[in-house]
Amino acid sequence: DAGVIQSPRHEVTEMGQEVTLRCKPISGHDYLFWYRQTMMRGLELLIYFNNNVPIDDSGMPEDRFSAKMPNASFSTLKIQPSEPRDSAVYFCASSLDTRGEKLFFGSGTQLSVL
Amino acid sequence: RKEVEQDPGPFNVPEGATVAFNCTYSNSASQSFFWYRQDCRKEPKLLMSVYSSGNEDGRFTAQLNRASQYISLLIRDSKLSDSATYLCVVNYLEYGNKLVFGAGTILRVKS
Repeated sequence: DAGVIQSPRHEVTEMGQEVTLRCKPISGHDYLFWYRQTMMRGLELLIYFNNNVPIDDSGMPEDRFSAKMPNASFSTLKIQPSEPRDSAVYFCASSLDTRGEKLFFGSGTQLSVL
Repeated sequence: RKEVEQDPGPFNVPEGATVAFNCTYSNSASQSFFWYRQDCRKEPKLLMSVYSSGNEDGRFTAQLNRASQYISLLIRDSKLSDSATYLCVVNYLEYGNKLVFGAGTILRVKS
């Protein structure tokens, strides 16, 4: 298995633009997580899905952020409009359950909003 | 009090040294505990789970103290390749069994 695949690896955009991050989880994993990592706040859970259904989105910063999982093999995290404070590394992870023993992360998307 | 707290370091140690990290957590009902390792500009990866009885994996030993609500990671005979950020991870049942990550402890092993 190729592991969790994220794209793009790097994204540089201007304030106000729409940004879409993509993730393909490991086949067979029922849970998909979106995390954001910054120096100031560390690794924060934004939202997670179970069997394509959003379960907990309490970590989503505000209405500018939205996430979808149209099928078991694909998820998107969208920021519209983007702001400089959204600059961070965004990780997607997938797992067989909500415990930490089988949580696999993608390589992340480094987002820079100018 | 933060949900999961770690000393950010950095811990600068020579090769061959023994180094220990601690992590405290605020929820006494937490059931699952882990140490993840994150290399510079890479994704976090599971290093080891932490069991009540303590567990060892080669040069790494993890211990849990439920009474004091802390977790420790001991690394013996440090290698240059151990240089990384070590993240303490705890599940929070009241958050739907959500995993909460500590901010990480930076370890630098030098020759």
